Amino acid sequence: DQQVKQNSPSLSVQEGRISILNCDYTNSMFDYFLWYKKYPAEGPTFLISISSIKDKNEDGRFTVFLNKSAKHLSLHIVPSQPGDSAVYFCAATSGTYKYIFGTGTRLKVLA
Amino acid sequence: DAGVIQSPRHEVTEMGQEVTLRCKPISGHNSLFWYRQTMMRGLELLIYFNNNVPIDDSGMPEDRFSAKMPNASFSTLKIQPSEPRDSAVYFCASSPPAGGFAGELFFGEGSRLTVL
Repeated sequence: DQQVKQNSPSLSVQEGRISILNCDYTNSMFDYFLWYKKYPAEGPTFLISISSIKDKNEDGRFTVFLNKSAKHLSLHIVPSQPGDSAVYFCAATSGTYKYIFGTGTRLKVLA
Repeated sequence: DAGVIQSPRHEVTEMGQEVTLRCKPISGHNSLFWYRQTMMRGLELLIYFNNNVPIDDSGMPEDRFSAKMPNASFSTLKIQPSEPRDSAVYFCASSPPAGGFAGELFFGEGSRLTVL
């Protein structure tokens, strides 16, 4: 039973446009959410996070939005660049070590 | 600073053989995690150590899997005997002391295991 779901396995976006990656969760106890980025043959690296007390967190071109009532979060990348092409994982935790990851979305930014 | 170091990067073995994966966490980090990545299930937590002590091994799929952390700078994940369904990428991650919350995880580059 997947508590964190990324329903889009892949996404293609033109360079300069906005990329929107989505993530849904089922456990209302989750209170901290993270996005990780993974290039081929490398480990995931932390990108951005958000606490459940906020509904938005921004870091440069990356913004994460949290809709607690819908149990949904999204990562916006504006503008998208070819170097953003990677697999993006969302993860959630209820404030403990136990991070639950989604299955990932492969983003391809077309030049 | 060196990141999390895993070895081997690639392992191809035959069904029934023993496999040992190794991990060196970042110095000063007191939490260590072993994850398995598959297409169907994404990143699954196998086991979590805190201060070298196994805290949660509920994600270890079967008794064929075992993990140890004899000291703060080394951990192993062993599969014996290995089966084709164990084929996956295995990641080790560590995180610094942060109270009861793991904070950001720092991942190694992974060990890709293929069991024939």
